[in-house]
Amino acid sequence: GQNIDQPTEMTATEGAIVQINCTYQTSGFNGLFWYQQHAGEAPTFLSYNVLDGLEEKGRFSSFLSRSKGYSYLLLKELQMKDSASYLCAAADSNYQLIWGAGTKLIIKP
Amino acid sequence: GAVVSQHPSRVICKSGTSVKIECRSLDFQATTMFWYRQFPKKSLMLMATSNEGSKATYEQGVEKDKFLINHASLTLSTLTVTSAHPEDSSFYICSARDGQRESYNEQFFGPGTRLTVL
Repeated sequence: GQNIDQPTEMTATEGAIVQINCTYQTSGFNGLFWYQQHAGEAPTFLSYNVLDGLEEKGRFSSFLSRSKGYSYLLLKELQMKDSASYLCAAADSNYQLIWGAGTKLIIKP
Repeated sequence: GAVVSQHPSRVICKSGTSVKIECRSLDFQATTMFWYRQFPKKSLMLMATSNEGSKATYEQGVEKDKFLINHASLTLSTLTVTSAHPEDSSFYICSARDGQRESYNEQFFGPGTRLTVL
């Protein structure tokens, strides 16, 4: 079957670095997305990886290893506004997005 | 670019009534639109995939006669919740894929509609 696993909740300190891991199993693979979702709002796009390696975009970076079915989202210089849920989603052979349950990130001062 | 709007943002209705939610792509043509629902502290659950000019494809367990989807144009899809009941109360989110860049397959999300059925 198709499955996405990511931690339910993580806590980090303002100014620090946090890494949110995601493992996936899909029928075919057409890329891995990370979205940010604040409470009561719709998800917003953060990153897309389809090739192995690290993609850096400002304070956020995303890594993909296709052979391991593994991705992580790295957030640097954490700010209070980064408190949100982070959703990992993998596109299968039909380009259907398979969603993880999301990781709630709590930032403490 | 790639803005998706949803209307209404919030709706409260009585049990037994029908509610229509609109999803519009404002600055691109959306050949494919997706409808999701999300319960508190849960992930997105895909309800159906809607392609312009054809019938929607519903996910297993989603009643197509209860959740009517119409994708009449390249910029508009509607979801009608018929004979709504309290258990239909949820956050409904649409997303759209830009037809000009199918290979990228990113979905752009609307702001969501909070439905409360009394």
